Amino acid sequence: SQTIHQWPATLVQPVGSPLSLECTVEGTSNPNLYWYRQAAGRGLQLLFYSVGIGQISSEVPQNLSASRPQDRQFILSSKKLLLSDSGFYLCAWTTGWNSPLHFGNGTRLTVT
Amino acid sequence: TQLLEQSPQFLSIQEGENLTVYCNSSSVFSSLQWYRQEPGEGPVLLVTVVTGGEVKKLKRLTFQFGDARKDSSLHITAAQPGDTGLYLCAGALYSSASKIIFGSGTRLSIRP
Repeated sequence: SQTIHQWPATLVQPVGSPLSLECTVEGTSNPNLYWYRQAAGRGLQLLFYSVGIGQISSEVPQNLSASRPQDRQFILSSKKLLLSDSGFYLCAWTTGWNSPLHFGNGTRLTVT
Repeated sequence: TQLLEQSPQFLSIQEGENLTVYCNSSSVFSSLQWYRQEPGEGPVLLVTVVTGGEVKKLKRLTFQFGDARKDSSLHITAAQPGDTGLYLCAGALYSSASKIIFGSGTRLSIRP
């Protein structure tokens, strides 16, 4: 069966510090991978998506970046965090446009 | 910039009443999905619609995809307190089917 792992679950970081969130998928090959950010009680903002190794589409570049070094690994990074980067970050995967998105448990990031 | 506008943002109704949530866009979608999310967790798929005009029923929930595949609705009949939660629509863009965007969410509260 397919599983998705996302870590850490919670993170408190000072402004200006770096960020690395990691997501890995098991049990499937060549998934489409996604990073979303969610403000409390609101919808999901698409940050990045990837259809293959090394292929990254950016929706909200700003000070965030993403990488896909392996088929089932997706990493979200920042060199210097801003207060506005606080939020609930969700990684997800799918096999195609008419298949469901499967989400990780999310990372609650608080930038202080 | 493609947008998926969801309304209403908040809805509080009495148990037994009916309600409808709307999802609208100027963009065309290859598919549209509805998710439900509990606090601190990732969204969970309720339904996928792929054909213009398609209607799907899931017990007391009825989902419809617009003829032009630009909009969708979720209708709940005889709402129950267990229906309380955050409902999200998500669409895979026809112009780029790997790009999946979400609506702003509808927070539904059903009073006993």
